[in-house]
Amino acid sequence: DARVTQTPRHKVTEMGQEVTMRCQPILGHNTVFWYRQTMMQGLELLAYFRNRAPLDDSGMPKDRFSAEMPDATLATLKIQPSEPRDSAVYFCASGLAGWDRVNTEAFFGQGTRLTVV
Amino acid sequence: DQQVKQNSPSLSVQEGRISILNCDYTNSMFDYFLWYKKYPAEGPTFLISISSIKDKNEDGRFTVFLNKSAKHLSLHIVPSQPGDSAVYFCAAKADKLIFGTGTRLQVFP
Repeated sequence: DARVTQTPRHKVTEMGQEVTMRCQPILGHNTVFWYRQTMMQGLELLAYFRNRAPLDDSGMPKDRFSAEMPDATLATLKIQPSEPRDSAVYFCASGLAGWDRVNTEAFFGQGTRLTVV
Repeated sequence: DQQVKQNSPSLSVQEGRISILNCDYTNSMFDYFLWYKKYPAEGPTFLISISSIKDKNEDGRFTVFLNKSAKHLSLHIVPSQPGDSAVYFCAAKADKLIFGTGTRLQVFP
């Protein structure tokens, strides 16, 4: 049963603490996205990777957010230091992008609900 | 700036009737468009897509229409069912996948 797995599902932390969210993409997928769901922005793209290389992280606050793919089976999103305005649901999605743009849909994990108090 | 816009935050439709969800985009480089459905506490799930070279794609009760000149797409659900009640996101792709703000559809009996 191929699926995107995100951990933790819920995280409550105090302002100023470091938060790490993890994502295991579907095996064989070469593209990984990080999104944040907010009421005002909908699904906001934070960063995405192709073949583990970061292609675009312009959606992330650079001073506190960082995204990495240490290997093909793990993507991480870190916030340091965290702030109350970071409270949201963070989604990871993976997909397969080829030269012909076939299989362009992305498959989402269940998300990490982050609350910063 | 929002490249993909869903101007209706909510829509309420009676069971059996047609639901029409709308989406506008600004970037003419988008070559693929998708609709996702999201239930509470779950991740979005893919529903239907359309290539920019087509103007219509149908899958069962779901049909997506694309009007490139107007930079507008719509999702039609016929007939609407209570299980269709969810938040619907449109998305557009030009390598990266950009989503709209979502429309909450409620189908009542």
